[in-house]
Amino acid sequence: DAGVTQSPTHLIKTRGQHVTLRCSPISGHKSVSWYQQVLGQGPQFIFQYYEKEERGRGNFPDRFSARQFPNYSSELNVNALLLGDSALYLCASSLRQGYQPQHFGDGTRLSIL
Amino acid sequence: AQSVTQLGSHVSVSEGALVLLRCNYSSSVPPYLFWYVQYPNQGLQLLLKYTTGATLVKGINGFEAEFKKSETSFHLTKPSAHMSDAAEYFCAVTPWGAGSYQLTFGKGTKLSVIP
Repeated sequence: DAGVTQSPTHLIKTRGQHVTLRCSPISGHKSVSWYQQVLGQGPQFIFQYYEKEERGRGNFPDRFSARQFPNYSSELNVNALLLGDSALYLCASSLRQGYQPQHFGDGTRLSIL
Repeated sequence: AQSVTQLGSHVSVSEGALVLLRCNYSSSVPPYLFWYVQYPNQGLQLLLKYTTGATLVKGINGFEAEFKKSETSFHLTKPSAHMSDAAEYFCAVTPWGAGSYQLTFGKGTKLSVIP
C-alpha cells in the first residue's frame, strides 16, 4: 500500500506570496495532521483534521489554514509568506482522531526568497 | 501541556558500540511516547512506541526503549551501532486518550556512526 504522499516535494516562493501544499493519506486513514519543521528543530504541530473538520490547531497565525476533502486528502494554505515560513512541511495520517501512531510523508520543502 | 527534552543535539558512536539517546518528557497526564527517525531529505519513520503495557518496547532495526515513569524518561538504545543508523532521531509525546492528536517533539539528536 502507498504511504502518505505529499506534493510538491520542493517549492520556492517570494515574500508576500501564498502557497498550497497537498497531502494524500494512507488508504483507510481518516485523520490528517500538518507539522512544520524548521531546520535544526523538531516538527511543530499546525493542524489536525478528522472527518473533514478541524479538530486541533497549534500556535500558528491565521495566515495558515487547511482543509480536508471528502476523500480525506488535505491542503495546507499559507498566505502572505514570510522568510520565517521556510521549512519542511510534514503531513501525517492516522486511522482516526486520537489513534496512534501517526504515519508521516516525506514532506514539502518550502523556501522563501 | 507536554514537553520533551532530548539531551545532546549530536551523539557520535563507533560502529559496533552501544547507542544511547536520551529523552525526558513532561506530561500532566499519562503519555504515549514515540521515537521517530529521519534520514536526510526524508520524512519521519516510526521506530517504536509506548502506549500501555510492557515498559520495555522493541522497535525496528534492533532499537528498543524503556518507559520509566519515576524518571519521566524514555531513552532509546541499540546494542551495536551500524553505519546505516546514522540519522536524526526524535522523541515525541502525546497525552493518553481518545482525544489526543498533537505530537510534541523534542529538538532531535543527530547520530553519527564512526567506522
